[in-house]
Amino acid sequence: QVQLQESGPGLVKPSGTLSLTCAVSGASINDSYWWTWVRQPPGKGLEWIGEIYHSGSTNYNPSLKSRVTISVDKSKNQFSLNLSSVTAADTAVYYCVKGGGPWGLGTLVTVSS
Amino acid sequence: DIVMTQSPLSLPVTPGEPASISCRSSQSLHSSGHYYLDWYLKKPGQSPQLLMYLGSNRASGVPDRISGSGSGTDFTLKISRVEAEDVGVYYCMQTLQTPRTFGQGTKVEIK
Repeated sequence: QVQLQESGPGLVKPSGTLSLTCAVSGASINDSYWWTWVRQPPGKGLEWIGEIYHSGSTNYNPSLKSRVTISVDKSKNQFSLNLSSVTAADTAVYYCVKGGGPWGLGTLVTVSS
Repeated sequence: DIVMTQSPLSLPVTPGEPASISCRSSQSLHSSGHYYLDWYLKKPGQSPQLLMYLGSNRASGVPDRISGSGSGTDFTLKISRVEAEDVGVYYCMQTLQTPRTFGQGTKVEIK
């Protein structure tokens, strides 16, 4: 059974960098899937952030592209999200997703001083 | 970006009755013989779960009273007989291009 688990700070200061990791179990990060990050601001809909393939190829949402980096750590079977220069608008529940599912449980990240 | 538009945004349903959600895309989602449209359900307090992929293919564990159809730019998710476990917010998402984009969501609740 494939499971994904997000981890990282729940509070980030404005202008700082949001860093999250997604630990994958029950599947290999080398498998031929897109490994994806999606977020949901409070009371709003879902927003696709970006994705990475096992080869390292990435696609990012242009609305965030200049601030986003997604990377893979094959030795730890996990992938990560870095979002720089955050503002209150980046406050959201962040999900990691294996292509076609499942989704992680999600982690709330609040941007506040 | 491909814009996804769902309707209705709120859908009160009666158990045992059918329900239908529409999803329209700003351009055709057809490519190489497939329609690149997925449906997700986010139940209260849970993460989204995949219901349908490539327009009309049921994901593992999804009951056959839930079905997806459509072509071009118009797609529909149908529930033949609504059950209490179907409440939540339904999202369509196009996977034809990046950035992947979601509809606004349709909140289904029991009357």
